[in-house]
Formats: sequence, structure tokens, C-alpha cells
Amino acid sequence: GAGVSQSPRYKVAKRGQDVALRCDPISGHVSLFWYQQALGQGPEFLTYFQNEAQLDKSGLPSDRFFAERPEGSVSTLKIQRTQQEDSAVYLCASSQGARGVQETQYFGPGTRLLVL
Amino acid sequence: RKEVEQDPGPFNVPEGATVAFNCTYSNSASQSFFWYRQDCRKEPKLLMSVYSSGNEDGRFTAQLNRASQYISLLIRDSKLSDSATYLCVVNRQNTGFQKLVFGTGTRLLVSP
Repeated sequence: GAGVSQSPRYKVAKRGQDVALRCDPISGHVSLFWYQQALGQGPEFLTYFQNEAQLDKSGLPSDRFFAERPEGSVSTLKIQRTQQEDSAVYLCASSQGARGVQETQYFGPGTRLLVL
Repeated sequence: RKEVEQDPGPFNVPEGATVAFNCTYSNSASQSFFWYRQDCRKEPKLLMSVYSSGNEDGRFTAQLNRASQYISLLIRDSKLSDSATYLCVVNRQNTGFQKLVFGTGTRLLVSP
């Protein structure tokens, strides 16, 4: 079956531009996560949705970062006034349930963002 | 200090070798533990969960020592296809959902 998909796969932005990154989770998955992975580092948690509710946004680096999942399926991560330090791979993951200790998170291929 | 620490490597080993990776975590409230594998320019994929009793999946064995807050992964009879970055991951279950914290990863290179 279809996995998690993300678009665009690559994005080059000029400093100061706004960008929008899209995530299509696995159909029916309740939980959706966004992570940021800088070069040579592991993914770092940004935010979590349970259906349409954003339950945790503690990892968002600044108020320039905004995420939404209005209908509980597709999610968009928006970055306003991009800065060079925003250059990273943005990974989306989904899992079937909400509170399972051993829930498997399935990752999408990521969006590689380069801010010039 | 990072919450999950790993030796970044790279570990260069010949085919057929046995290699072990270690990882330490600092948050004693961590409830579940995983190893993920990430190939170059690809997304992380779950390799295996880690249990206190230890668990094995083919050539891979994972161990957890809660008292020392230490996790290990052993790969026996290494294959060329095992070349990847191995991410140690802990789940802060006390957040009410699966909030994963990743280490920086250990890079493995298996050569012919």
C-alpha cells in the first residue's frame, strides 16, 4: 500500500521567502509528526497532531514555523521569512494509533530545503 | 549534553565481521527504545524495538540496560547491504504520545 508521501522533495528558497511543505500520511493514521533533520544529525521533533488537533508544538524553533492538519489527514508545515539556518530535511511521519508505546512511526522521504 | 548519545563513527568493517553499537540516554523516564536504520539520503526506517530481556531478529540483537541507561545493537555476519546509519531512539512516553528522541546516528561501512 501507499506509504507517507511528501512534496516537494526539494525546495530552494531565497532568504526571506515563505515556504509550504506538504505531508500525506498513510490513510487512516491518527498520529502525524514533523521532524527537522540537519546535516549529520538525527531527526528532531517539531510538532505532533492527533487527527486535526495539534497536541504538541514544543519543538517548533520559532514563531516563523507553523503547522496545520485541518481535516485530520494531509498536513502542511509552513515556514515564514526563511533563514539560512532553516536549511534541513523536513521529515513527516505517521502512526496508526495515538498512545501506543510500541507504535511504529512510518516516515516519508522528506523535503530537502535549502535557503540561500 | 544530548539526551541520546551515540558514537558517530564511521565504523569500517569487512564483510562477515561482527560489529556492536552502543548508545546512552539521560532521561530515566524514557519508556520504550528502538533502533532505526537510515540509508544515505533516505528516510529512517524502524529496524527493531529494544526490550529489557533483549531481543534478536536474524543477525541483529538488541539489548537494553535500564539501570545503566544503555542500549546496544549487535550485527553478526555483516553484509554489504548493512552499510547505513543506525539511529538509537528513545520514546518519552510520559508526554502521553510517542515522542521520539533520536541520537545523531552511528555510520556503518561494510567493505568487501
